[in-house]
Amino acid sequence: EPEVTQTPSHQVTQMGQEVILRCVPISNHLYFYWYRQILGQKVEFLVSFYNNEISEKSEIFDDQFSVERPDGSNFTLKIRSTKLEDSAMYFCASSEAGWLGAFFGQGTRLTVV
Amino acid sequence: GIQVEQSPPDLILQEGANSTLRCNFSDSVNNLQWFHQNPWGQLINLFYIPSGTKQNGRLSATTVATERYSLLYISSSQTTDSGVYFCAVVPYNTDKLIFGTGTRLQVFP
Repeated sequence: EPEVTQTPSHQVTQMGQEVILRCVPISNHLYFYWYRQILGQKVEFLVSFYNNEISEKSEIFDDQFSVERPDGSNFTLKIRSTKLEDSAMYFCASSEAGWLGAFFGQGTRLTVV
Repeated sequence: GIQVEQSPPDLILQEGANSTLRCNFSDSVNNLQWFHQNPWGQLINLFYIPSGTKQNGRLSATTVATERYSLLYISSSQTTDSGVYFCAVVPYNTDKLIFGTGTRLQVFP
């Protein structure tokens, strides 16, 4: 069964450092997403990406965040200068068509110290 | 924006018991998914169910779109069913999922 894969599974970084979280969506999918889950809380939408551009972003997705699809297979989330409150599980997801719902990767647990 | 509320927030069961989890949403949706988040944090997709009823083994789900709710039934629960169950909806005119508040299920032997 096709799946969304994320790397790394865990990342520890120092406050102020840049991090890049990587995702390989399902190959024939056209919509890509990043979501965030702070420990013990619900899953929150960050950004959606379609046709090589951001289609929607939440208020959480400020100038510290950026997304890129550098080639035909990878989808990345960059956090420029990490803060303690960026510590969370980050999920990548992809979909054939946005209204159909999405498949999720296994998540990257980011810890900022 | 759309509100997605789940109940109960916590549920404790003994192995073998049945349970019903509820998801209420405040506006019309294109789709609804149920997820199980396991102890490792992975989101496992259980159902895509914008309307009607589906069954998969001991799990089944029903969505009544006109009344804006969905139910997830777990029969003969097992300890491996423990975790957090989320419903998530795709509101009309968007392509993103909005997650509910979750139900934390603990099943004891």
